[in-house]
Amino acid sequence: DGGITQSPKYLFRKEGQNVTLSCEQNLNHDAMYWYRQDPGQGLRLIYYSQIVNDFQKGDIAEGYSVSREKKESFPLTVTSAQKNPTAFYLCASRNGGGRETQYFGPGTRLLVL
Amino acid sequence: SQELEQSPQSLIVQEGKNLTINCTSSKTLYGLYWYKQKYGEGLIFLMMLQKGGEEKSHEKITAKLDEKKQQSSLHITASQPSHAGIYLCGADMGAGNNRKLIWGLGTSLAVNP
Repeated sequence: DGGITQSPKYLFRKEGQNVTLSCEQNLNHDAMYWYRQDPGQGLRLIYYSQIVNDFQKGDIAEGYSVSREKKESFPLTVTSAQKNPTAFYLCASRNGGGRETQYFGPGTRLLVL
Repeated sequence: SQELEQSPQSLIVQEGKNLTINCTSSKTLYGLYWYKQKYGEGLIFLMMLQKGGEEKSHEKITAKLDEKKQQSSLHITASQPSHAGIYLCGADMGAGNNRKLIWGLGTSLAVNP
């Protein structure tokens, strides 16, 4: 089955802790994206990557970091600098940089203890 | 203000009724995407529209992009409880290096049996 997987489904973070959210796709898509979803605010872009070993900041990158060492993987680290990390995080991928459809993973809900 | 406005914000209908959700922009939309989301889950792709006047259907859901490519409507015929969820529109705006994908805030649909 082709698709996007995200893990874990729920993640708990303690104060001052960095946590990493996993995103893997087997669609052979070039571009991958991380979004944050909060009630009433819609989807906001955190980081995106158009190609391996390259990524760009989105609209709300502060307090987050990413890597793109492999085409199929785009992990997101929520650092201790992110003061309000509680949200639903969605990973997406897209084939190429044209007007292709973005496909989404099932999401990870991050909660602060 | 939101670049992509969705209306209504929420909707409650009786099973079997028709309904329409709108997605409007003040700028030209180069690609318009409709997604459905169940609470706590990822986005499921429904349809993509690119050409002015284009109309697409999937089962009982029809989406249309107006001739000016500034508004799209999503119409559900004979709604069923399985149609309940959040409907989001996303749009490609700009071109070249200025191209970006923006999102509406979503329309929450409840269908009473």
